Amino acid sequence: DTGVSQDPRHKITKRGQNVTFRCDPISEHNRLYWYRQTLGQGPEFLTYFQNEAQLEKSRLLSDRFSAERPKGSFSTLEIQRTEQGDSAMYLCASSLGLSGNPDKEQFFGPGTRLTVL
Amino acid sequence: AQKVTQAQTEISVVEKEDVTLDCVYETRDTTYYLFWYKQPPSGELVFLIRRNSFDEQNEISGRYSWNFQKSTSSFNFTITASQVVDSAVYFCSQGAQKLVFGQGTRLTINP
Repeated sequence: DTGVSQDPRHKITKRGQNVTFRCDPISEHNRLYWYRQTLGQGPEFLTYFQNEAQLEKSRLLSDRFSAERPKGSFSTLEIQRTEQGDSAMYLCASSLGLSGNPDKEQFFGPGTRLTVL
Repeated sequence: AQKVTQAQTEISVVEKEDVTLDCVYETRDTTYYLFWYKQPPSGELVFLIRRNSFDEQNEISGRYSWNFQKSTSSFNFTITASQVVDSAVYFCSQGAQKLVFGQGTRLTINP
């Protein structure tokens, strides 16, 4: 299977702990996106990378959130000092796009469901 | 700013009925891209269609069809002869790279 994969699929943590999620995009996809989806809502954009460069960050991404894509392949999303409001599904997507051109489609992973107690 | 509105929160129909999911978008861009995604109970978003702003031709793919009207800023999705397997949450979205999603419409097809 060469789809987008995310690990872990579920994470339960206590308030104040740090968590890290991993996303492996479809190989050779140069763009990688992180979205957050809360219950009953559509996904909300958090950040995206083109290769290893982080090109845009949403204002939703507070200082406690950091994302990396060190070699332009997999990406990690870390949340420090988690709060109950961080409970959500964190979705990763990847696409193949020429610089400055729009995506044709984004391929989504299964998501990581975070529960903060 | 971009915005997508899906006014129908939930729709429930009996199998074989036709059903239309509404989508209204807002943008100040002259070139823009609209999408529909399906999110089945398994949770993974599945791409259905992409439409750019300069192509207003309606599209049909099997039982699915899309009606794009710039005059009303709408991009509606119709499923003909619905089936139980069509039950899912459907999202309309827009964007060139980052996507802005509507709140979704939960569609339930009853046998």
